[in-house]
Amino acid sequence: EAGVTQFPSHSVIEKGQTVTLRCDPISGHDNLYWYRRVMGKEIKFLLHFVKESKQDESGMPNNRFLAERTGGTYSTLKVQPAELEDSGVYFCASSQWVAENTEAFFGQGTRLTVV
Amino acid sequence: AQTVTQSQPEMSVQEAETVTLSCTYDTSESDYYLFWYKQPPSRQMILVIRQEAYKQQNATENRFSVNFQKAAKSFSLKISDSQLGDAAMYFCAYRSANTGTASKLTFGTGTRLQVTL
Repeated sequence: EAGVTQFPSHSVIEKGQTVTLRCDPISGHDNLYWYRRVMGKEIKFLLHFVKESKQDESGMPNNRFLAERTGGTYSTLKVQPAELEDSGVYFCASSQWVAENTEAFFGQGTRLTVV
Repeated sequence: AQTVTQSQPEMSVQEAETVTLSCTYDTSESDYYLFWYKQPPSRQMILVIRQEAYKQQNATENRFSVNFQKAAKSFSLKISDSQLGDAAMYFCAYRSANTGTASKLTFGTGTRLQVTL
């Protein structure tokens, strides 16, 4: 069974440019999460999809970030325009259920560098 | 809001020895879950061990065990018989049991574990 897949694995862009990150969750997982880790700091929650609906987007830093999950399958996270402070590693995770202690499976992350 | 604190940015252990990674958290909830995740250099995070707050018994998974002290809000990870493959970044995480309001994980800043020969 394929795990959570993210791409690109690395992205280096200039300030002001646009970048789109993609996440393919495990097949059948309705729940999809985006997280971000800025260098040396904690991994922070960005948002949570249940199928194609945004269940919780309280962690989105500002309106330069746009997440979509059309059709309830893969998800994209677009940053437009990118700023220096957006640099970090963006993780995607998926889980089958929300209930109890369901395990969330993580992708390898996308390392974004804004220069 | 819940917070998770890992006060050890880096730890080192010799192969075959035992190491304990610390984690404390703050919450006003009584029911929740705690996790330790491992992120090897290849960067995919994997779940190491989980603990339900309502369970008094400490969770154990082979060489990995936890010391869960609910009153002290402490959740340390003990790795016994350390192996080179244990070298990774370890993250402690909290998750509310109230699935109606929050299913996200709250992470600490991580502890980088080095395993030496």
